[in-house]
Amino acid sequence: AQKITQTQPGMFVQEKEAVTLDCTYDTSDPSYGLFWYKQPSSGEMIFLIYQGSYDQQNATEGRYSLNFQKARKSANLVISASQLGDSAMYFCAMRGERSNTGKLIFGQGTTLQVKP
Amino acid sequence: EPEVTQTPSHQVTQMGQEVILRCVPISNHLYFYWYRQILGQKVEFLVSFYNNEISEKSEIFDDQFSVERPDGSNFTLKIRSTKLEDSAMYFCASKKRGGPGEQYFGPGTRLTVT
Repeated sequence: AQKITQTQPGMFVQEKEAVTLDCTYDTSDPSYGLFWYKQPSSGEMIFLIYQGSYDQQNATEGRYSLNFQKARKSANLVISASQLGDSAMYFCAMRGERSNTGKLIFGQGTTLQVKP
Repeated sequence: EPEVTQTPSHQVTQMGQEVILRCVPISNHLYFYWYRQILGQKVEFLVSFYNNEISEKSEIFDDQFSVERPDGSNFTLKIRSTKLEDSAMYFCASKKRGGPGEQYFGPGTRLTVT
């Protein structure tokens, strides 16, 4: 069955340092997409970055990059040069299996705290 | 930059009452979704809507739920007879056709059932 797993309920990082948030997945779809979303304390869900299963290169978007290891079924989010505003909940998600409308299945989330 | 909007931001209702949550998706998007997030838990898919009909729904989306796109801009979620366990944050999202398929979420409506 399709599954997204985020094993780190909470993480701390010092301001200006890099941090990696883990995400592993399982799916029977040969072609799939992986997404990361940020949820600040205000509650909204903000799209950060996307990785397609057939993309040759790891996705990057400003300070966000995705460490995609297909054989290990992992899609870890790397945030470089952490800022105080990065403190939030981060969710890994993927498109639902055999979904004709691209519904998203989410992991449990990781709370990131950036320390000054 | 276009964004998804939702109203109200917070709704308090009594058990058994009907509520309607409203969303205005991004104007050139074609796929619309509702998700919910019970406090402290992960975001769960409820329903997707395309071409003026439900295209996919989860087990959570039972007969007490319905969705509608009454005009060209609004997208609503109705809960007919609310239960205590319906208390959650409800997110509307929309997606354009094609591309990687990222969905853009609204700010959410916090529903509290007392």
